[in-house]
Amino acid sequence: DIQMTQSPSSLSASVGDRVTITCRASQGISNYLAWFQQKPGKAPKSLIYAASSLQSGVPSKFSGSGSGTDFTLTISSLQPEDFATYYCQQYNSYPRTFGPGTKVDIK
Amino acid sequence: EVQLVESGGGLVKPGGSLRLSCAASGFTFSSYSMNWVRQAPGKGLEWVSSISSSSSYIYYADSVKGRFTISRDNAKNSLYLQMNSLRAEDTAVYYCARNSGYYDSSGYYYEMFDYWGQGTLVTVSS
Repeated sequence: DIQMTQSPSSLSASVGDRVTITCRASQGISNYLAWFQQKPGKAPKSLIYAASSLQSGVPSKFSGSGSGTDFTLTISSLQPEDFATYYCQQYNSYPRTFGPGTKVDIK
Repeated sequence: EVQLVESGGGLVKPGGSLRLSCAASGFTFSSYSMNWVRQAPGKGLEWVSSISSSSSYIYYADSVKGRFTISRDNAKNSLYLQMNSLRAEDTAVYYCARNSGYYDSSGYYYEMFDYWGQGTLVTVSS
């Protein structure tokens, strides 16, 4: 199985900050990677697929990059509605696996 | 409007069974692969199972293989998860999610869990 790790596990940031979250796969997954945002008590929301393609309706302040084993999610200017937990997920092979999540909260 | 509504969760004793349902509307259900993803209280997301549009391809996480069965009824626009031999560690919110995956002209595969239900809570406890 492919293991996914994320760093940091949590971060505190201010409104307007640029935030970067890293995701690493235990083996190469090309760019078969997705990112999700989840707010407390809510279902996850798809942000990015194919490592860098923005899901329809997702604002362009979110961007993704990477290929192989190392990936990043960047939020260009953090807004109050962006405080949430972010998960990466690989879809290179079954079982699909998620990273442990990165919680972004207010400094 | 795409909607996915889960039901069937509840409290069950260890070793018991439960059947979850996911009612889909607002899209052509029979054209999409579907998934179950769960989240234990205070924990991260865990993929559970996937089923292709015609039920030809089915996959399970090792943690549920042999105990859970995913199925669908395209005539009823419904997805199911039959859960047997339940354990305390199966306690979680269970989400159904649509997979809008496709292959482009070059054969590259895109996968998107683009719509999710609100989830249904399964509690396994004596």
